[in-house]
Amino acid sequence: DADVTQTPRNRITKTGKRIMLECSQTKGHDRMYWYRQDPGLGLQLIYYSFDVKDINKGEISDGYSVSRQAQAKFSLSLESAIPNQTALYFCATSDSGGRQFFGPGTRLTVL
Amino acid sequence: GESVGLHLPTLSVQEGDNSIINCAYSNSASDYFIWYKQESGKGPQFIIDIRSNMDKRQGQRVTVLLNKTVKHLSLQIAATQPGDSAVYFCAGTTGANNLFFGTGTRLTVIP
Repeated sequence: DADVTQTPRNRITKTGKRIMLECSQTKGHDRMYWYRQDPGLGLQLIYYSFDVKDINKGEISDGYSVSRQAQAKFSLSLESAIPNQTALYFCATSDSGGRQFFGPGTRLTVL
Repeated sequence: GESVGLHLPTLSVQEGDNSIINCAYSNSASDYFIWYKQESGKGPQFIIDIRSNMDKRQGQRVTVLLNKTVKHLSLQIAATQPGDSAVYFCAGTTGANNLFFGTGTRLTVIP
């Protein structure tokens, strides 16, 4: 969905490096989410934010941190990347109705 | 915990036939369900949703059926086309809680 953008789209990094993935949305939604997707698996929730001052851990938050810089921006950081964090990462937004809109994803490879 | 799963990991159908993708959920309090389509290299795209006060909802060529008694929902795609080939995820939520995703069914349309 072009209303939700993610940068970078692809990233290769080395073990121990700090990485930031960025998400921006023009849908005007208060709620934003970060998910991880591994091959053959569904989406796992890393962190979510219901407004600028609200940050919540999801199912698999260990090794990740987030920052909600503005209503439209939600970034995900890997403080010290490790190989098992190699995955597809998706950002999503929603209004209070629950329907989530996803960005195009970031493919992260940690060597 | 809450879980949403899928009966089959893969489904192959002839072009023009109808497709049925099934999904089971565990939490009887789940009250909102969404079907997403994910094409290769893209983020999940919303297809159709249904709330627990409904049994059936129709969209363009798609129908979602919800059976709360057996905690099962299905996605029916009429006259399946090659462009329908993708992975389909069901997701469910309870109240204002976050979505839980199934692992996905890969639909392959045979020309």
